Amino acid sequence: DTGVSQNPRHKITKRGQNVTFRCDPISEHNRLYWYRQTLGQGPEFLTYFQNEAQLEKSRLLSDRFSAERPKGSFSTLEIQRTEQGDSAMYLCASLMTGETQYFGPGTRLLVL
Amino acid sequence: DQQVKQNSPSLSVQEGRISILNCDYTNSMFDYFLWYKKYPAEGPTFLISISSIKDKNEDGRFTVFLNKSAKHLSLHIVPSQPGDSAVYFCAARSSGSNYKLTFGKGTLLTVNP
Repeated sequence: DTGVSQNPRHKITKRGQNVTFRCDPISEHNRLYWYRQTLGQGPEFLTYFQNEAQLEKSRLLSDRFSAERPKGSFSTLEIQRTEQGDSAMYLCASLMTGETQYFGPGTRLLVL
Repeated sequence: DQQVKQNSPSLSVQEGRISILNCDYTNSMFDYFLWYKKYPAEGPTFLISISSIKDKNEDGRFTVFLNKSAKHLSLHIVPSQPGDSAVYFCAARSSGSNYKLTFGKGTLLTVNP
């Protein structure tokens, strides 16, 4: 399978704990995006990488959130001191040239 | 301020008939539009896209129409099939925006057998 993959698919955690999600983009794609989707809403942009450089962060990305993309391959999104409001589906997408972003299956986070 | 709006939260159609999903946008800088389909607990799947230099793009049963003057686009599915039942998201981006997408809230399409 050469699509975008995300792990874990589901995560349940207690408030105050740290969590980390991983995204493996399509191998030749140099652009990688993180989005968050809450119930009844469309996905909202969080951050963008071109190769290993994080070039844009949304104001939605509080200082409890950090993302990395070492060596321009996979990416991780870490949330520190989780809050109940962080419960959402976290989506990763990748893009090479052209205009189509391809999404992974998402990681559903539930903060108790 | 919602820049991409899908004003119909849900739509129900009979199998074999046409489904028309609508989307409006407010940002005149948007120059590329995409439709994604999403099943519960899965990521969005790309369906079809259109550049602002075109007014129509067709791919099999799916056609997207763009009316730039009205800042409106629509997705037509003909004929509709029960497997098309899903949430459909309209998304847009502008040149120079790092290709990041702005999504509407989605429309739940139900195709009844």
